[in-house]
Amino acid sequence: DADVTQTPRNRITKTGKRIMLECSQTKGHDRMYWYRQDPGLGLRLIYYSFDVKDINKGEISDGYSVSRQAQAKFSLSLESAIPNQTALYFCATSATRTGMIDTQYFGPGTRLTVL
Amino acid sequence: AQKVTQAQTEISVVEKEDVTLDCVYETRDTTYYLFWYKQPPSGELVFLIRRNSFDEQNEISGRYSWNFQKSTSSFNFTITASQVVDSAVYFCALSLGNTPLVFGKGTRLSVIA
Repeated sequence: DADVTQTPRNRITKTGKRIMLECSQTKGHDRMYWYRQDPGLGLRLIYYSFDVKDINKGEISDGYSVSRQAQAKFSLSLESAIPNQTALYFCATSATRTGMIDTQYFGPGTRLTVL
Repeated sequence: AQKVTQAQTEISVVEKEDVTLDCVYETRDTTYYLFWYKQPPSGELVFLIRRNSFDEQNEISGRYSWNFQKSTSSFNFTITASQVVDSAVYFCALSLGNTPLVFGKGTRLSVIA
């Protein structure tokens, strides 16, 4: 089984709808992240969480919210989806290691289309 | 602020050619970490390598090698004897150690048989 899972893998929705993307991990990592990927723009950070009680905005948080329900679960919500939120969304996790950053491992991605 | 620049948007090579993907980074911090990820056509992101700022030794892993040069703020990635399976988008990324990754925009590599 995959260490980092994302549901759904694909979603088509309409403008104005509320959408939730879910991420679960079995790696035992404390840190979790949400990125979006747009063609030619690379990956941009939406939100990140270093533990269950910690939520931080990333570069492009407007229009998004998150919930860290447990150490293993990190959900991303689009309260009212708009077409320019059409993108590939990735969840990632990493562990805290004293003195150095640990590698981020990514889920398989969720392809979201907003019509 | 940190920044990663991958100036090559797309590269196309013929199979068995060597190819180098460039990565230039910007940071004022002396401690930082550099990464390369591969995104094959299937879409997942695959970790390739991590290097910290105190270790300038080049690394070789099979056909892959990485050249880290602090003097030019570069962390370039070379694929020797490229294969069709190397076709992918490659991302370079930077972290300060307690911060999320900052990614470059990626380089799309096409290896033609």
